[in-house]
Amino acid sequence: AQSVTQPDIHITVSEGASLELRCNYSYGATPYLFWYVQSPGQGLQLLLKYFSGDTLVQGIKGFEAEFKRSQSSFNLRKPSVHWSDAAEYFCAVGIIQGAQKLVFGQGTRLTINP
Amino acid sequence: DTGVSQNPRHKITKRGQNVTFRCDPISEHNRLYWYRQTLGQGPEFLTYFQNEAQLEKSRLLSDRFSAERPKGSFSTLEIQRTEQGDSAMYLCASSESSQYFGPGTRLTVL
Repeated sequence: AQSVTQPDIHITVSEGASLELRCNYSYGATPYLFWYVQSPGQGLQLLLKYFSGDTLVQGIKGFEAEFKRSQSSFNLRKPSVHWSDAAEYFCAVGIIQGAQKLVFGQGTRLTINP
Repeated sequence: DTGVSQNPRHKITKRGQNVTFRCDPISEHNRLYWYRQTLGQGPEFLTYFQNEAQLEKSRLLSDRFSAERPKGSFSTLEIQRTEQGDSAMYLCASSESSQYFGPGTRLTVL
């Protein structure tokens, strides 16, 4: 069965520091992969996606992610975080067949220290 | 604003009551999804429409839940005889390729 694991439930970084959020997936075919961000009480905003091609994808707000097939990973990175990046981050795998629904990880809550 | 909209944003109800939520997708999107998100968890898929046809339902969607998309535009999600376990955020998304989410409806069942 398809699954997504985000090993870190909560991460705290200082403003201006670099960030890496981990995501591992389990899926039998070539995955479609996504990162979404959710601010408190809000819906999810798409940060970036990987369908095929270049394994390093750029997204909005200065985020990037790298697809590593050998490690079944799709980690999210940002070179320098801003206080406004504090939110919940969700990694998801898109199921290619049928509904093409998303299977989400549990999320990683990011706190920014001033 | 051409994003996905959901109404109401918050709903508080008593156990046993029926509730209905509405989702208005991005107008050119023919795919529409409902997800449920409980506290501290990622969203879980509930159901999917392609135009007006409901093509897939999760086993999470019990008989008390029904969803419609009568004209292939907006969709409604109804929960009958609500239970405290139904308390969650209900998220709607629409897509052509990537899914774009609405702000959600937070349901609290007392």
